[in-house]
Order: sequence, then C-alpha cells, then structure tokens
Amino acid sequence: GESVGLHLPTLSVQEGDNSIINCAYSNSASDYFIWYKQESGKGPQFIIDIRSNMDKRQGQRVTVLLNKTVKHLSLQIAATQPGDSAVYFCAVDTGRRALTFGSGTRLQVQP
Amino acid sequence: DGGITQSPKYLFRKEGQNVTLSCEQNLNHDAMYWYRQDPGQGLRLIYYSQIVNDFQKGDIAEGYSVSREKKESFPLTVTSAQKNPTAFYLCASSMTLRDRSTQYFGPGTRLTVL
Repeated sequence: GESVGLHLPTLSVQEGDNSIINCAYSNSASDYFIWYKQESGKGPQFIIDIRSNMDKRQGQRVTVLLNKTVKHLSLQIAATQPGDSAVYFCAVDTGRRALTFGSGTRLQVQP
Repeated sequence: DGGITQSPKYLFRKEGQNVTLSCEQNLNHDAMYWYRQDPGQGLRLIYYSQIVNDFQKGDIAEGYSVSREKKESFPLTVTSAQKNPTAFYLCASSMTLRDRSTQYFGPGTRLTVL
C-alpha cells in the first residue's frame, strides 16, 4: 500500500523567509503528486502538482521538488507571508482508485 | 459562482442518532468523494462515486452510507454504527474519477457527537 508522511508537524518561519515543507512516500509506482493548502476550518485548496517524469516544477512563489530515488517530495514557498499560514498536505496518486494524503504540516509565519 | 457547498458547517449529534451531511456541486463533475479528517492524520476516503447511481466504499466505509441520485448531490449519512464519528468531514469532486488528482474540496462539516 501507500503511506505518506511529513517530516515535521509544525514549521515556524519569519515573514519574508523561505519555507520548505517535506513529504515522504513509500510506493515507487506513485506517478502524480499534489500539494494542498488548508486554512483553519476550510477545505484543502490545490497549490501545485508534479508528475513522476519531472523533478521540479515552479509556480507563483512556490516550487515543488521531486526526488524519486529517495521517494521524497518538497514544497518551497518563497518570501513567506502571513497569508501562507495554514496546514500543507501532500497527496500521492498511484493510479489506483484514490489519492493518499499525508497528515499535514502546520506552517506558522511570524511577523 | 461554481463550487462545492457543504452544510451545515457545524453539526452536533447525540449518541445513537443518524445524521446526514449535505454536499452539492455545480461544477458538472461526474466524480464525488467523502473524506474524514482527524487531528494529526491525513484525509481518509469514506466513499466515492464516479457517476450518478453508482458509489463505492473507500477505506473507512463502516458506519457510513451514501446515495447519488443526482449528479450534483452526494449526501453522507453517519449512522449510529459509526463508533467514533466526531471528526471534520470533507466532500470533494473531480471531472471524472480519472481526474481524481484534480479534486475540488468543499468547506467541510465539523460533526461532534455529544
């Protein structure tokens, strides 16, 4: 089966710093990876995704890095802002019926 | 505005009672999903439906039931057989089951059993 974990339950950063949130997965057949942001009391929102045939993808202020050798995924947020404070999840699609979600990392941005 | 709505936002239930959570989408999506979220855990799939009048059990379906009589609606019933129902429930949809990687989530319903 698939298990997805994150390295830290909480990450605290200063406003303006870069944030890095990590995720490890277990199934080498995983072919699609997604990062979600969930603000308190709300549903998750899609941030960025990456396919297994890529190792890096950039969005607006966000970059996702994929290392298939060690089954590791990271989300980098540049110039972190207070509005970035939320829980961040990675999700993995192995081509089976459903996504497998990680437990989430809470990002706290200090002013 | 296109999107997914869930109601109510907060729900309280007495032990032994069934309760139904609403999920409606106007995105014209075929596939819909129900997840349960507990503190410190990832989302766990309860049920999913890839098309009207079809639904399949997810990983933690025991104590739950669903129906999919209309494309836009996928209500979840939490029955008295669910031993630990207090949780945050999220509904999601995607264009098709094949597009499950691009799911849109509702705002969630927080269920508390008293």
